Amino acid sequence: NAGVTQTPKFQVLKTGQSMTLQCAQDMNHEYMSWYRQDPGMGLRLIHYSVGAGITDQGEVPNGYNVSRSTTEDFPLRLLSAAPSQTSVYFCASSYGGDSNEKLFFGSGTQLSVL
Amino acid sequence: RKEVEQDPGPFNVPEGATVAFNCTYSNSASQSFFWYRQDCRKEPKLLMSVYSSGNEDGRFTAQLNRASQYISLLIRDSKLSDSATYLCVVNLVTDKLIFGTGTRLQVFP
Repeated sequence: NAGVTQTPKFQVLKTGQSMTLQCAQDMNHEYMSWYRQDPGMGLRLIHYSVGAGITDQGEVPNGYNVSRSTTEDFPLRLLSAAPSQTSVYFCASSYGGDSNEKLFFGSGTQLSVL
Repeated sequence: RKEVEQDPGPFNVPEGATVAFNCTYSNSASQSFFWYRQDCRKEPKLLMSVYSSGNEDGRFTAQLNRASQYISLLIRDSKLSDSATYLCVVNLVTDKLIFGTGTRLQVFP
């Protein structure tokens, strides 16, 4: 019973490098989202998707891209990493096509950008 | 004004105490409200939804005050295992869930 799986758990990047954080869920959830969590800032919504082929921006989308080609996967791409993107990233999903359902979170990715 | 605001705490309470947290939200059109719990270095997990009439789950009671735009969480008979950060979550507009910064609770023996 995997739930929401995020990889990698830890990552160190140099400024300017690109990478993709992977997120997969096996619960056939329509809604998926990415958050970042910084001390004193709480979780902030980066991007979200209400179904395959549909994505939209959250509170802090700049510097990140997403796509949703399948129901299961919702990767987050950092185009050119910056130190300000050092954070803990959480992927979350829920059953419904909107945000009114219980969110299931992955275990997080700790990203450091040097 | 932040869209969702919480007192960061920490709230330090002895075992057996009753403690309450409030969370204010800015958008009067918000429809859905939740409390999540987050343990140190772990992912958030849903504690309970908050319904208009108020709801209870064991030692936990959640209430919504639409007129004053806040929700509350009351924990009775606190346990050591209740020590965590409690996150207030509000959906401001359709499809966007916004998290508060969290209130840290520390229960001591």
